[in-house]
This record gives sequence, structure tokens and C-alpha cells, in this order.
Amino acid sequence: DQQVKQNSPSLSVQEGRISILNCDYTNSMFDYFLWYKKYPAEGPTFLISISSIKDKNEDGRFTVFLNKSAKHLSLHIVPSQPGDSAVYFCAAPPGAGSYQLTFGKGTKLSVIP
Amino acid sequence: NAGVTQTPKFQVLKTGQSMTLQCAQDMNHEYMSWYRQDPGMGLRLIHYSVGAGITDQGEVPNGYNVSRSTTEDFPLRLLSAAPSQTSVYFCASSSLKGGPQPQHFGDGTRLSIL
Repeated sequence: DQQVKQNSPSLSVQEGRISILNCDYTNSMFDYFLWYKKYPAEGPTFLISISSIKDKNEDGRFTVFLNKSAKHLSLHIVPSQPGDSAVYFCAAPPGAGSYQLTFGKGTKLSVIP
Repeated sequence: NAGVTQTPKFQVLKTGQSMTLQCAQDMNHEYMSWYRQDPGMGLRLIHYSVGAGITDQGEVPNGYNVSRSTTEDFPLRLLSAAPSQTSVYFCASSSLKGGPQPQHFGDGTRLSIL
């Protein structure tokens, strides 16, 4: 049973526009969420995280929103740039004190110049 | 600033052969882990370790062994390779201090089993 779901395998966005990547989770024990970005032939790179005590975390062009009641989080990239083209993974540890990560299947973002 | 280093980057094996994927980190991280990534499957946890001498199984441990004799190294062993183990393998590490910390990943080992 997939506990972290990214239901959109791919997303195409025009350069300069907003990219919104979505992630749903089923386990209400999850209290910390991370987004990773992955380029081909490289390892995933940490992008941004959010704790369940917050509903928003911002870092430059990247903002993550958390809706605990809906068990949903989203990553907003504004403005999108061609260099943002990558696969984005949502991940969460299974609970407080745990360090293993459960990953979604990823969303491939293509930013079109 | 090496971070997490994985070797080799590519490997082709025949069914039944054994090999060890190497992983080393220079950040003095307590936590280390191995994942495999298959098309359309995301990353799945194979084994992990919270310190030297301590290892545990993840989601997909069958066919793999690990050991952690030092803080820096966390090798992954395939004792008898099978075609189902064809995948990209990533090693990751993180600190266990100060609450949840992001994991740092190596660039992966691409393994093909014929």
C-alpha cells in the first residue's frame, strides 16, 4: 500500500509560469515531509522540507504548502526556469523518531523555454 | 567536499555472480541507507543503519546483505545476483542530531544483471 502518492507522472510548464507539484499521503503519523529533485544520472538532491506544525515553508522560488486535514502537500515553483526540469520526489519518514524515508513515485517536470 | 561517494558507477553482472556496491561518506553521519530505483517505482529502501554495528531491513531487503563496521562505510552485497536486481542503487546518509535531517544521496550505481 503506497503511503506517499504522486499521482501526476509528468507536468509541462512554460518558463516564467508557476509549477505546482502535488503529493498525497495516507499515514496520519507522518509529521515531516521533504521534497527532492533529481536530474538524470545524478542522485536526488534535497530541495525543501516542512514540519507538520507549519502549513507553509518558503525558500526562494520554492514554497511547500501542507494541508494536514486533507493529507496533501504541494510544491510551488515561481517563476519556473528551464533548469528546474527534473524529477521531483515527495518523501516522508514514517513517524516521530524514524529516519527511513518513504518516497512517492515522482513527477517529471518539464519547463519549456 | 566529497559528501556521499558510490563505486562503481556502472556494473554488468551475470546471473549468480556476487558483488559489493561501495558507499562512503565523509560527513560523520550516523544514519546510512541503501535504496533502489526502478522505472515508475520511486525509491525503495533496502537496508539502513543508525550507527556502526547496527543495521536493519527496509522495504525490499531480500537478496541483499549489509554491514556497518565504521561510521564512514556502508557496503551493499549481492550474494547471488538475479535479473530482478537490475536497478539503479543509491546510498544516502544523514545526521541523527537535532531532529529530522534531510538525507544526502550519492550519484548512484547502475547495475545490470544478465
